[in-house]
Amino acid sequence: DGGITQSPKYLFRKEGQNVTLSCEQNLNHDAMYWYRQDPGQGLRLIYYSQIVNDFQKGDIAEGYSVSREKKESFPLTVTSAQKNPTAFYLCASSLAGENTGELFFGEGSRLTVL
Amino acid sequence: QQQVKQSPQSLIVQKGGISIINCAYENTAFDYFPWYQQFPGKGPALLIAIRPDVSEKKEGRFTISFNKSAKQFSLHIMDSQPGDSATYFCAARGRHGSSNTGKLIFGQGTTLQVKP
Repeated sequence: DGGITQSPKYLFRKEGQNVTLSCEQNLNHDAMYWYRQDPGQGLRLIYYSQIVNDFQKGDIAEGYSVSREKKESFPLTVTSAQKNPTAFYLCASSLAGENTGELFFGEGSRLTVL
Repeated sequence: QQQVKQSPQSLIVQKGGISIINCAYENTAFDYFPWYQQFPGKGPALLIAIRPDVSEKKEGRFTISFNKSAKQFSLHIMDSQPGDSATYFCAARGRHGSSNTGKLIFGQGTTLQVKP
């Protein structure tokens, strides 16, 4: 069945380490997104990609990096430059262009920095 | 900049009551306003959505009311049930050609608890 798969579900990282969160979708969607969720702050956009090999910074891109080498995959790297990386990270996909509407979300990855 | 503001942050309602969550937006270059529902430990899922050319949309117990001139929209949950207990997010999509093209901007979220 179609959907979005995020892994790992839980991740612990020591300060100073980079970590990569995986996001794979089999919905044949062109657009993919990464959001960060913190209590009381809603969902904040980190990066998004409307097409393969292209992506744009969202509102809080500092300390993060992404790649979009395949339509199905949009991994997010949380680098050591991210000052407060402990959060719940959500990946989503949708149709692109004017049809961007319903976002389909994965179940999230919870990152804790020790 | 917070372009979509949502209130209240939390809400407690008795079973059978009406839950009301409000959102206001600051940018007129939005063309689609969805509401998402999120259960603990899960990703959000689309609940109901509206376009600005209509003032109300109803799906079962869920209704969106939209006031274009006031730049406000709200979610009403009629006959609220304990199973409705979740976090609700409003959102606004950037109009094609605007600086927010293709972006969905979310409100801060409302945690709803429906007491049995």
